[in-house]
Amino acid sequence: EAGVAQSPRYKIIEKRQSVAFWCNPISGHATLYWYQQILGQGPKLLIQFQNNGVVDDSQLPKDRFSAERLKGVDSTLKIQPAKLEDSAVYLCASSLLRGENTGELFFGEGSRLTVL
Amino acid sequence: DAKTTQPTSMDCAEGRAANLPCNHSTISGNEYVYWYRQIHSQGPQYIIHGLKNNETNEMASLIITEDRKSSTLILPHATLRDTAVYYCIVRVAIETSGSRLTFGEGTQLTVNP
Repeated sequence: EAGVAQSPRYKIIEKRQSVAFWCNPISGHATLYWYQQILGQGPKLLIQFQNNGVVDDSQLPKDRFSAERLKGVDSTLKIQPAKLEDSAVYLCASSLLRGENTGELFFGEGSRLTVL
Repeated sequence: DAKTTQPTSMDCAEGRAANLPCNHSTISGNEYVYWYRQIHSQGPQYIIHGLKNNETNEMASLIITEDRKSSTLILPHATLRDTAVYYCIVRVAIETSGSRLTFGEGTQLTVNP
């Protein structure tokens, strides 16, 4: 079974530039998550999708971050303009829904962003 | 979701059992206890979860106290590859909106040769 795919693995940009991260979840997983992990901290949920609808985006800095999940499969997370404090690993995860939901999230390897 | 408290770091000798504690004194009756781990430069990986009863799978055992205010993750024969940050998370099973997990700081387990 293919895992959660993310790209790019690494990205270096200057502040005020924009960046986009892509995620392809495990086939059949209805729920998709984007987490931000700052060095030395645990992952923090940014946004949760169920199919192509947003379930929770309460911690997404909406003035600069946006995310979409068109057609309920792939997702893109965008940051524009980037700030120094956005330097982090951006993790995508997916899970099954409802009766098959054991609470098990499957994470990708993450996209490491460095903002200079 | 209830807050959890874990030690910042622990050491374990290779081949010995690693016992990772977690306090969740404010856990509610409908909240599950989950354990994930994160090996360096990888995404978190699910280990095990439970509600009231002790659980065991091919990776680990989860012991939950009778009052459910604390739990212990047991890796029966730790190997060097078990060196990772271990996260204890309590979460309500929200069937209609998927699995929302709130990660804390976790415990850095170092397995020594």
